[in-house]
Amino acid sequence: AQTVTQSQPEMSVQEAETVTLSCTYDTSESDYYLFWYKQPPSRQMILVIRQEAYKQQNATENRFSVNFQKAAKSFSLKISDSQLGDAAMYFCAYRTTDSWGKLQFGAGTQVVVTP
Amino acid sequence: EPEVTQTPSHQVTQMGQEVILRCVPISNHLYFYWYRQILGQKVEFLVSFYNNEISEKSEIFDDQFSVERPDGSNFTLKIRSTKLEDSAMYFCASSERRQGYGYTFGSGTRLTVV
Repeated sequence: AQTVTQSQPEMSVQEAETVTLSCTYDTSESDYYLFWYKQPPSRQMILVIRQEAYKQQNATENRFSVNFQKAAKSFSLKISDSQLGDAAMYFCAYRTTDSWGKLQFGAGTQVVVTP
Repeated sequence: EPEVTQTPSHQVTQMGQEVILRCVPISNHLYFYWYRQILGQKVEFLVSFYNNEISEKSEIFDDQFSVERPDGSNFTLKIRSTKLEDSAMYFCASSERRQGYGYTFGSGTRLTVV
């Protein structure tokens, strides 16, 4: 069974600074998908960024980028130029290619942005 | 941008009562899901649904739970005889494809069992 581990319960960052959230996963699959979801206080789940395992190039979405290390089974999220609106819980998630799309989530990392 | 709509946003029910949580997925999506998040805990998969039948379910999804797509637009989660531990945020999600990208979540229904 796949597991997703987020070892940082909370990370604090100052506005305009950069913060990196870590995520590791355990799988025997060679092809899969990885995601970061943001959950603000409203508790809605918002897709931030996604990565296909077969792609070596790290995904980037504006101020959000990932560092995908397949051999190490690591998928970290970097938030650059942090803004107050980035304050939220961030979940790393894993999805295989041969399931019916089930996502396995990590426990989450709370990001606190200070002015 | 298309949205997944969930109603109600918050429901309070007495222990032992039945509740139905409703979802309207994005219209051209074919795969539907329910997830649960107990306060302060991780998001957990409950069930996936395709072609009018359950395609996968978790251990959490026992006989107390059922899902249905009663018409072409709604997707419901029924919880029979609710328990205190069913109190959680329930998220509906839909996807256009089985494979590929992540899917779109609704804004959730907060269920409180008293």
